[in-house]
Amino acid sequence: EVQLVESGGGLVQPGGSLRLSCAASGFTFSSYEMNWVRQAPGKGLEWVSYISSSGSTIYYADSVKGRFTISRDNAKNSLYLQMNSLRAEDTAVYYCARAGGGQTLYYYYYYMDVWGKGTTVTVSS
Amino acid sequence: SSELTQDPAVSVALGQTVRITCQGDSLRSYYASWYQQKPGQAPVLVIYGKNNRPSGIPDRFSGSSSGNTASLTITGAQAEDEADYYCNSRDSSGNHLDWVFGGGTKLTVL
Repeated sequence: EVQLVESGGGLVQPGGSLRLSCAASGFTFSSYEMNWVRQAPGKGLEWVSYISSSGSTIYYADSVKGRFTISRDNAKNSLYLQMNSLRAEDTAVYYCARAGGGQTLYYYYYYMDVWGKGTTVTVSS
Repeated sequence: SSELTQDPAVSVALGQTVRITCQGDSLRSYYASWYQQKPGQAPVLVIYGKNNRPSGIPDRFSGSSSGNTASLTITGAQAEDEADYYCNSRDSSGNHLDWVFGGGTKLTVL
């Protein structure tokens, strides 16, 4: 069964750090690009960060740039998100998601086809 | 960075057809993908590419695109389709190829 399982969430004080993990199983992890997506309480989905299959290409949302670091260990089938200088507005459920894509004659397309159940991060004093 | 705009809420009578739209400049270059999210659950991909459904998604879900607007259509809406729906695309307006979500549309099935 194709599966993603996040862990590492919890309660942290403002300015603190957390490291989220995402364990992949049921597919060849090293062949897939990955994303972190978050959802604040009662709010919509927000893309956080992307990493290519090899880890050589990385993107961040402006809201986390300079504070968060995405990484992966293909030998361990794992994705990570190191979160530093946490703020109250980082409080959210954090999902890891497998990415895919392709192209037609005129358009490219991308999608996130497998999602974990999420891990909750609460930033509060 | 580019944005994707969705209507906050849409309603449909049971068994009728509903269209949920998503507007943004990035949709002139990239097809949107669409996700269904029910309360307390992770998002589920329902449409990607020109009009592709992942395995297990009912064929009452379909997608289309024109100019800067992408649409998700549910033909014969069922009670279990009541959920939040999000569109998603890539955004190449900056220096990087970021991802972007619409704000979401809450679908109520009456």
